[in-house]
Amino acid sequence: DAKTTQPPSMDCAEGRAANLPCNHSTISGNEYVYWYRQIHSQGPQYIIHGLKNNETNEMASLIITEDRKSSTLILPHATLRDTAVYYCIVRPIGTDKLIFGTGTRLQVFP
Amino acid sequence: DTGVSQDPRHKITKRGQNVTFRCDPISEHNRLYWYRQTLGQGPEFLTYFQNEAQLEKSRLLSDRFSAERPKGSFSTLEIQRTEQGDSAMYLCASSPGTSNTGELFFGEGSRLTVL
Repeated sequence: DAKTTQPPSMDCAEGRAANLPCNHSTISGNEYVYWYRQIHSQGPQYIIHGLKNNETNEMASLIITEDRKSSTLILPHATLRDTAVYYCIVRPIGTDKLIFGTGTRLQVFP
Repeated sequence: DTGVSQDPRHKITKRGQNVTFRCDPISEHNRLYWYRQTLGQGPEFLTYFQNEAQLEKSRLLSDRFSAERPKGSFSTLEIQRTEQGDSAMYLCASSPGTSNTGELFFGEGSRLTVL
């Protein structure tokens, strides 16, 4: 079973920051937080991952709380092409297998 | 295109027929995964291979399902005696197994409709 809880849907205005929350209160010390997204009719796409520290790449930023029980994915300037389902996944170190939940459907509007 | 390739992209079949899907992973990726996704749900893990060895199978993979990766390159997923409940998107993913990110690279999926 998925070990994360996400809101089923969110809206964001184009050009604004999209902040997608995720709860993973049962995360253990050897588990990473991963974010993937799935645009309609495509396979999931990796966005970012982290263990303890905040992370940033060209796509997004990941903020992990100090107790690691929750995290937020930030898309700093959302575009219409960011409309997708975003999955927050907890993955143990040493395994590749991803267990997906139902994700958050982000709708970016003009 | 050097991404994960899946074939066919769409398959419509009648209940009781057998279907086979093929996945060509990214070259030199030694790990290959199959997932199934139904409407409104996230992908569900089915099985994965390291090279030609099938290392894990989900309980979702009933005895009507079989996956192979004979030479450690492409993989096939066969469903025998299809049922309407098998209608889904079948996703394949690959990884090098030694990536710093642990990223899985997904194909665009094979959509199965069982009538």
